[in-house]
Amino acid sequence: DVQLVESGGGLVQPGGSLRLSCATSGFIFTNSDMHWVRQAAGKGLEWVSTLYTGGNTYYVDSVKGRFTISREIAKKSLYLQMNSLTTADTAVYYCARGSTSGYFYFDSWGQGTLVTVSS
Amino acid sequence: DIVMTQSPDSLALSLGERATINCKSSQRLLCSSNNKNYLAWYQQHPGHPPKLLIYWASTRESGVPDRFSGSGSGTDFTLTISSLQAEDVAVYYCQQYCTTPLTFGGGTKVEIK
Repeated sequence: DVQLVESGGGLVQPGGSLRLSCATSGFIFTNSDMHWVRQAAGKGLEWVSTLYTGGNTYYVDSVKGRFTISREIAKKSLYLQMNSLTTADTAVYYCARGSTSGYFYFDSWGQGTLVTVSS
Repeated sequence: DIVMTQSPDSLALSLGERATINCKSSQRLLCSSNNKNYLAWYQQHPGHPPKLLIYWASTRESGVPDRFSGSGSGTDFTLTISSLQAEDVAVYYCQQYCTTPLTFGGGTKVEIK
């Protein structure tokens, strides 16, 4: 079974940094596009970033220059380095796997990790 | 950016009734020569991550009950639950994957009357 397990969330002050991790298992990690999607409390879903199998990365405008998506193949893990955090970044962050056909819909999701940016 | 607009924001129906959720995109989602609409639907129960229901606007994900169906093309899409069950109480989202930024609709909350 596909498993995605996020970690690294927590409370951070505005301007601070966090690094989220997503440990994966049950599929060939190098064959899958991987994504981060976030959800503020009581709000809808917002795509944050994509790491394409070929290495290309994509970001929503609001995080460009502040967030960096990366992966460690040996550990089958996905990461999201988040810098210069603001209160608007407060959300549950989900790691999601892109479809096995290579299109950017999400066929598996982790349980999420909560990031709270507050002074 | 492609804007996704869902309606209604919420609906309350009796068990066994048909639920219809609409999703409108600001651009056509026939994004390549494969003649497919780049539109997915997700279900999210409270406190849980989203779950993929439908992709290519009408293809049901493996394991999804056949009371869920997707239809539409171009800019107008519909998710239908043919006979509402108690476990279908959730929020439903549409998502376009035509281009980045990938965007979602605002969600439709389905409740039992």
